[in-house]
Amino acid sequence: DAKTTQPNSMESNEEEPVHLPCNHSTISGTDYIHWYRQLPSQGPEYVIHGLTSNVNNRMASLAIAEDRKSSTLILHRATLRDAAVYYCILMNGGSWGKLQFGAGTQVVVTP
Amino acid sequence: NAGVTQTPKFQVLKTGQSMTLQCAQDMNHEYMSWYRQDPGMGLRLIHYSVGAGITDQGEVPNGYNVSRSTTEDFPLRLLSAAPSQTSVYFCASSSLRSTDTQYFGPGTRLTVL
Repeated sequence: DAKTTQPNSMESNEEEPVHLPCNHSTISGTDYIHWYRQLPSQGPEYVIHGLTSNVNNRMASLAIAEDRKSSTLILHRATLRDAAVYYCILMNGGSWGKLQFGAGTQVVVTP
Repeated sequence: NAGVTQTPKFQVLKTGQSMTLQCAQDMNHEYMSWYRQDPGMGLRLIHYSVGAGITDQGEVPNGYNVSRSTTEDFPLRLLSAAPSQTSVYFCASSSLRSTDTQYFGPGTRLTVL
């Protein structure tokens, strides 16, 4: 299975943008890029996913490199509630919903 | 909608005891799964189900049994608890048409002494 590489942690000031990188150099053509986040003492929460084109939703934006070997999750204005572990996960159609979580990136937001 | 609910929230067992972790969802989702999360690590898939009567193993199935008699419920059974099963357990569900968006429960924190 294709794997992802993320930084262990990132810090941001409140109300500033946060750019979370993810490398996935062995991604296959049918792998979707998913992002989930896990707030303290809670279960993971879906954030966004995409295949080739950049994606936006109410929570975040996902920028995918042209060669698809990396992507960046963008939180446009970080709030204290965005402090969480963010997971970048690859999943293809044959995965039947099976998510392979790595260690993720711990985002710290300071007031 | 209550979403995905899990009971109990906390549980302490002695080695060798058995118990069942409950998971229920009210979204009529076909797909349900169980994960465990050890301290400082990501989640690992234990078992999953694509519908009533259908289950399959995930990455770390040993020591756990599951069954799926209804769409709503997906219990996880520990037959003989071991200290290595001390972990936080999360249940998740999704529509089979959209397994991209999975909904997770709040978790059960299990300690095996």
